[in-house]
Amino acid sequence: QVQLHESGPGLVKPSETLSLTCTVSGGSLGSYFWNWIRQPAGKGLEWLGHINSGGSAHQNPSLMSRLTMSLDTSKNQLSLKLTSVTAADTAVYYCGRDWSGAAMAFWGQGTQVTVSS
Amino acid sequence: DIQMTQSPSTLSASVGDRVTITCRASQYIDNWLAWYQHKPGKAPKLLIYKASSLESGVPSRFSGSGSGTEFTLTISSLQPDDFSTYYCQQSNSYPRTFGQGTKVEI
Repeated sequence: QVQLHESGPGLVKPSETLSLTCTVSGGSLGSYFWNWIRQPAGKGLEWLGHINSGGSAHQNPSLMSRLTMSLDTSKNQLSLKLTSVTAADTAVYYCGRDWSGAAMAFWGQGTQVTVSS
Repeated sequence: DIQMTQSPSTLSASVGDRVTITCRASQYIDNWLAWYQHKPGKAPKLLIYKASSLESGVPSRFSGSGSGTEFTLTISSLQPDDFSTYYCQQSNSYPRTFGQGTKVEI
């Protein structure tokens, strides 16, 4: 069974770069699309972007090109970097893998990120 | 962006009730619609993909229907484990977008 686990610093200062890693076990990165999603406290889910090993990537324009995603097939990991963070970027961040019908069947448990000085 | 609007935002129900949640897309999305169940502190769980296909391992009391711009998620007989928040999500075009969520409560 594919399992995903997000990790990274729980606290980031405003204007700095948020970096998260998602480690995949039970399967390879393959040619799937790997997604990043977040949920601010008390709000709904927001899709941030996704990437696959073929080099195809899409990000949510709402992030104004602050997002960089990458895959490391040797470590079976995906990474997120979000630059110039503000308090509005405070959220639980999830990674997820596409499955049938471009839906995300595999998700991590999420990691809380707080942007504060 | 395609806006996804769920109704109702909150739904009060009892065990055994038949529950229906609606999701409307601001543009045509064919059947590129998924439904997720999300409980606090847990990973979202895929229930339905391509509008009406039941994800493996999901109880058959969950069903999805619709195409184009209007979709429904139905729980035929609500169970205690089903009290949760449900989200629809379109993957017809970028950026992928979620509905605002429907909380099913007792």
